[in-house]
Amino acid sequence: KAGVTQTPRYLIKTRGQQVTLSCSPISGHRSVSWYQQTPGQGLQFLFEYFSETQRNKGNFPGRFSGRQFSNSRSEMNVSTLELGDSALYLCASSWEGGFDTQYFGPGTRLTVL
Amino acid sequence: TQLLEQSPQFLSIQEGENLTVYCNSSSVFSSLQWYRQEPGEGPVLLVTVVTGGEVKKLKRLTFQFGDARKDSSLHITAAQPGDTGLYLCAGARGNTPLVFGKGTRLSVIA
Repeated sequence: KAGVTQTPRYLIKTRGQQVTLSCSPISGHRSVSWYQQTPGQGLQFLFEYFSETQRNKGNFPGRFSGRQFSNSRSEMNVSTLELGDSALYLCASSWEGGFDTQYFGPGTRLTVL
Repeated sequence: TQLLEQSPQFLSIQEGENLTVYCNSSSVFSSLQWYRQEPGEGPVLLVTVVTGGEVKKLKRLTFQFGDARKDSSLHITAAQPGDTGLYLCAGARGNTPLVFGKGTRLSVIA
C-alpha cells in the first residue's frame, strides 16, 4: 500500500507570497492532518480534515487554510508569507483521526526569504 | 505552555550504551504514542501504550506508561547507530488531535 505523499518536497518563497502544499493520504484513510515542525516549537497541529470537513483547528492565524477533496487528498495554503513560516510542513493521514495512529508523509520544507 | 515535556532534548552516546528518554505531563492521556523521525522523513510510529503501568518491548526498546497515565519513558538497551533520530511522544485525549512533545534528538556514535 502506498504511503502518504506530499508535494513539493522543497519550496523557496519570498515574504508576502502565498503557497499551496499538497498531500495524498493512504488509500482508504479519511482523515488528513497538517502539522508545522520547527526546531524551536516542535510539531504543532494546524488542522484536521475528515470527509471534506474541517474537524479540528490549531492556534494558527487565518493566513493558514486548508481543504480536502472528495478523494481525501488535501491541500494547505499559506497566504502573505512571513519569515517565521519557514518550517517543515507535515501531512498525516489516519482512518479516524483524533487519537488514531498518524501515518506521516515526508514533509514539505518551506523556506521564506 | 508545552503539554508534553520531553527530556533530555539532546543525547549523544557511544554505541553499546543504554539510555532512557522521558515524556512528562500534568495531564492525563488515554494513550501515548512514541514516534521516531529520521532526517528528511516524517515521524514513524513505534508503539502505542494504553493502560497505566503498561510495559511494551520492541526488540531493544522498552516503553512504559506511568500508572497515572501522565508520563512515559523509552529505554534503549545497547544503542546502535541505526537508533539515531528524533524521538517524539504524542498524547491522545478523547477524539481531539494528538499533542506532541518537542522530542529528544538522539545521536549514537559508532
